[in-house]
Amino acid sequence: SQQGEEDPQALSIQEGENATMNCSYKTSINNLQWYRQNSGRGLVHLILIRSNEREKHSGRLRVTLDTSKKSSSLLITASRAADTASYFCATDEGTNNLFFGTGTRLTVIP
Amino acid sequence: DAMVIQNPRYQVTQFGKPVTLSCSQTLNHNVMYWYQQKSSQAPKLLFHYYDKDFNNEADTPDNFQSRRPNTSFCFLDIRSPGLGDAAMYLCATSRDNSYEQYFGPGTRLTVT
Repeated sequence: SQQGEEDPQALSIQEGENATMNCSYKTSINNLQWYRQNSGRGLVHLILIRSNEREKHSGRLRVTLDTSKKSSSLLITASRAADTASYFCATDEGTNNLFFGTGTRLTVIP
Repeated sequence: DAMVIQNPRYQVTQFGKPVTLSCSQTLNHNVMYWYQQKSSQAPKLLFHYYDKDFNNEADTPDNFQSRRPNTSFCFLDIRSPGLGDAAMYLCATSRDNSYEQYFGPGTRLTVT
């Protein structure tokens, strides 16, 4: 399967803490993307990191990519209750298909 | 605002009764996608259009068909829905290959 795996499957933290989610994948990639999904809704694109990049920031989000280990991490700093959602990594192998990971369910407790 | 719109948001159909889900976009993107997402699972790509070129995933059942009559609209037809087809169906668009995708809110399909 080309699907990535995310770790942990579920994460519960207090508001203000940092949340880290990890993604591992199996094939060479063009880029890796992170998406957020609120319960019962569509996905929202958060950040895209290309295979030649190692780190990228967007607001409270920090994404790293290690192509030698085929892994990526998403760090959300100073979490808020509104960050409660499922987070998916998705790999793009340049075929116009995105292969989504299994997702991490994040709960931020006010 | 530019966006991806899906109708209806909730659809109930009977076992074996054909159903059509619709998606429209105001982003003028070249690529449109249909995903199936079952409860607590990752979205699974069914097929996508690059302009008018249709690309079917190898494991997408023949029961699922798609039409893209113009740049703005794309339809998902399920010819004979089974109980296993109950899921959230997500439409997405992207400007081109290897760009971020913009998702609609989804249509939740129930099969009775």
